[in-house]
Amino acid sequence: GAVVSQHPSWVICKSGTSVKIECRSLDFQATTMFWYRQFPKQSLMLMATSNEGSKATYEQGVEKDKFLINHASLTLSTLTVTSAHPEDSSFYICSAQTRGSLNTEAFFGQGTRLTVV
Amino acid sequence: DQQVKQNSPSLSVQEGRISILNCDYTNSMFDYFLWYKKYPAEGPTFLISISSIKDKNEDGRFTVFLNKSAKHLSLHIVPSQPGDSAVYFCAARGAGTASKLTFGTGTRLQVTL
Repeated sequence: GAVVSQHPSWVICKSGTSVKIECRSLDFQATTMFWYRQFPKQSLMLMATSNEGSKATYEQGVEKDKFLINHASLTLSTLTVTSAHPEDSSFYICSAQTRGSLNTEAFFGQGTRLTVV
Repeated sequence: DQQVKQNSPSLSVQEGRISILNCDYTNSMFDYFLWYKKYPAEGPTFLISISSIKDKNEDGRFTVFLNKSAKHLSLHIVPSQPGDSAVYFCAARGAGTASKLTFGTGTRLQVTL
């Protein structure tokens, strides 16, 4: 299957700092990438849909100024958590779909464990 | 509003037996369903999917059944193996080439020896 690489796999940062998470599709072009967040023992909650070359679409309740998403190319999307606070600590996962695909599975990155201290 | 529900948070099955994981959905616009397996601190791994025009899809030990009238799908794993122990998420998607996935709450499967 297609490979999606997410980096870093874990990060610890101080409150007030910003953290950037990268999501790359290694062997296919992804016009659309998705960013999810998972709290312990809970489901994956979609945060935003990232479209190459255009603004991301955020789900209700997700602060777009706090979670900056950039999809600069067909193989890279980034999520920047700005002015991080302890409540932002979570597991962040990206996924990507192959370009032009119809009814195919989404491929997920390995996830990033963010801890804000 | 949880549009995709997995009412059993956990399930324990003996090795060699059948594991049945259930999923219910409320949105009739969903037309494609997927099952993912997830280990702690890792991203989900795709297992099997089914289109709404089918009622069954089989891939090795994994079979997914879809009952559209009941808005219910299930994943059967037979025979269950210890390596199957993980959290299983069902997900649903509406029509379109890049529609977002809506995930269920997950079921933790434990396959015992």
